[in-house]
Amino acid sequence: KQEVTQIPAALSVPEGENLVLNCSFTDSAIYNLQWFRQDPGKGLTSLLLIQSSQREQTSGRLNASLDKSSGRSTLYIAASQPGDSATYLCAANTNAGKSTFGDGTTLTVKP
Amino acid sequence: KAGVTQTPRYLIKTRGQQVTLSCSPISGHRSVSWYQQTPGQGLQFLFEYFSETQRNKGNFPGRFSGRQFSNSRSEMNVSTLELGDSALYLCASRLTDTQYFGPGTRLTVL
Repeated sequence: KQEVTQIPAALSVPEGENLVLNCSFTDSAIYNLQWFRQDPGKGLTSLLLIQSSQREQTSGRLNASLDKSSGRSTLYIAASQPGDSATYLCAANTNAGKSTFGDGTTLTVKP
Repeated sequence: KAGVTQTPRYLIKTRGQQVTLSCSPISGHRSVSWYQQTPGQGLQFLFEYFSETQRNKGNFPGRFSGRQFSNSRSEMNVSTLELGDSALYLCASRLTDTQYFGPGTRLTVL
């Protein structure tokens, strides 16, 4: 059974800092891994999706990496801004369309 | 292009009642998945529908059921509601690999 863990559970940083969020999964037989952002009381917004054959994906100030063999993914956020404050979730997906989510990292960026 | 829509956004029910939630996927998306999100359990996969067929199912009791219509719209039904069913119910649609989520339905069971 796939288990996904995100560390840390919460993170507070000053504006402008670069930061890394971690996601680990127990079953390396994933099809892809997806990072999401969730604002309080809202749905999830897709940030990046990395296929199992890829090592990383970039979008603007975000960079996600994937190491299947070690069961790890990281989300790097450069030059953080207060608007980045949210909960970040990762999901490990099988090719059968089943997703297992971590509990998320709640990020607070202080002005 | 319109995003995933869910109705209603908020719902209050009492124990023992049943409830039906609706999800309209992005136009052209044939896959719809449902999730339950609670503070204690996080985001848990309920089921996925593709072309009117249930393709995957999570570990939820039979009180949780769903269906998908020919226009890809999906409904989720929960019968005999329990207090523990209070949660944010999210649906997501996808064309290929990326899931796009709706805003969710907040269900409160009293």
